[in-house]
Amino acid sequence: DAGVTQSPTHLIKTRGQQVTLRCSPKSGHDTVSWYQQALGQGPQFIFQYYEEEERQRGNFPDRFSGHQFPNYSSELNVNALLLGDSALYLCASSPQGSSYEQYFGPGTRLTVT
Amino acid sequence: GQNIDQPTEMTATEGAIVQINCTYQTSGFNGLFWYQQHAGEAPTFLSYNVLDGLEEKGRFSSFLSRSKGYSYLLLKELQMKDSASYLCAVRDRRDDKIIFGKGTRLHILP
Repeated sequence: DAGVTQSPTHLIKTRGQQVTLRCSPKSGHDTVSWYQQALGQGPQFIFQYYEEEERQRGNFPDRFSGHQFPNYSSELNVNALLLGDSALYLCASSPQGSSYEQYFGPGTRLTVT
Repeated sequence: GQNIDQPTEMTATEGAIVQINCTYQTSGFNGLFWYQQHAGEAPTFLSYNVLDGLEEKGRFSSFLSRSKGYSYLLLKELQMKDSASYLCAVRDRRDDKIIFGKGTRLHILP
């Protein structure tokens, strides 16, 4: 049984560019949450998707957007990248629309130069 | 809003016991998580407390006092592989968000 998978593992982008990160949830999970984790900090909640809709959102600007597909996989898009967007982006999946029992993926390390 | 505090760093010796404290302030508490995160890796679930008291799971135990807004993670018989960051996170009853603290980096000395 595959756990949560994310792609790519690492990514280097330039300021002003756009990036798309992908996440496939654990089998049986239908809820996907995205987190940003800066070096030495705890994960910061970006948003959560359930039934293909954004259900909750943290304090992130509109440059951060997402999508959930019918197979429950999800994408995180960041436009107009800033140096401060450099971080580890974590995807977590959970069952039945709940945030309890979250399983994290390995993350995507984004570096903006 | 929510506020979560935990020490930035701690050091302990192999074979010893260490307690990592976490205090929180929230307007809608619905449970507290502890996660372990090794450098460069994803957080892994350790425990979830929603009622007051101590929950033991092998070498790790977690305690919660809702009236005091306080939790601790107790690690016994420390091993070198326990060197990691330990994240305290609170679940909000109103919107089901999970808010993380900044984490405590634990160093184990031989």
